[in-house]
Amino acid sequence: EPEVTQTPSHQVTQMGQEVILRCVPISNHLYFYWYRQILGQKVEFLVSFYNNEISEKSEIFDDQFSVERPDGSNFTLKIRSTKLEDSAMYFCASSSQGVTQYFGPGTRLLVL
Amino acid sequence: AQSVTQLDSQVPVFEEAPVELRCNYSSSVSVYLFWYVQYPNQGLQLLLKYLSGSTLVESINGFEAEFNKSQTSFHLRKPSVHISDTAEYFCAVSVTSGTYKYIFGTGTRLKVLA
Repeated sequence: EPEVTQTPSHQVTQMGQEVILRCVPISNHLYFYWYRQILGQKVEFLVSFYNNEISEKSEIFDDQFSVERPDGSNFTLKIRSTKLEDSAMYFCASSSQGVTQYFGPGTRLLVL
Repeated sequence: AQSVTQLDSQVPVFEEAPVELRCNYSSSVSVYLFWYVQYPNQGLQLLLKYLSGSTLVESINGFEAEFNKSQTSFHLRKPSVHISDTAEYFCAVSVTSGTYKYIFGTGTRLKVLA
């Protein structure tokens, strides 16, 4: 059964550094999403991406964040200058028609 | 805007006992409803969903949920739980158009006791 994959599974970085989180969505899917889950809190929507552009972003998704689908298979989330409060589990999700989303296993980001 | 409330943060239950995990939502427009399960150190797995049609939906591992529009609820039930059901369960909604972004509840940690 096809699944969403994410790399790395864990990332530790210093405050102010740039990080890139990578996702490989399910191959025939057209809608892509990033969510995050701060430890002990609920899963929050960050951004949705369709037809090679951002279709919606949350208030969390400020200028420090960007997304890209560089090669038709990968979907990346870049945090330009990480802050302590960016420490969280980041989930990528994909969907064929937008309704039912399939989530990857997540990347646990720790900013020191 | 939509919101989801899962009132129970933790639910302990003995093995083979029934369980109900509550989910209420608020929305001024039509929504789709979902339950996801997160086992320890794993990602979110779709458990079941309500899109339209029959208000009672079932999963392959014995869970069921019923959409109640008048009470704006989508409670998850299982008549007899197993140790392996120990996990965190998230209720989510999405609007039926646009980007379909999910709004999640805070989650309910189900702990099945032997």
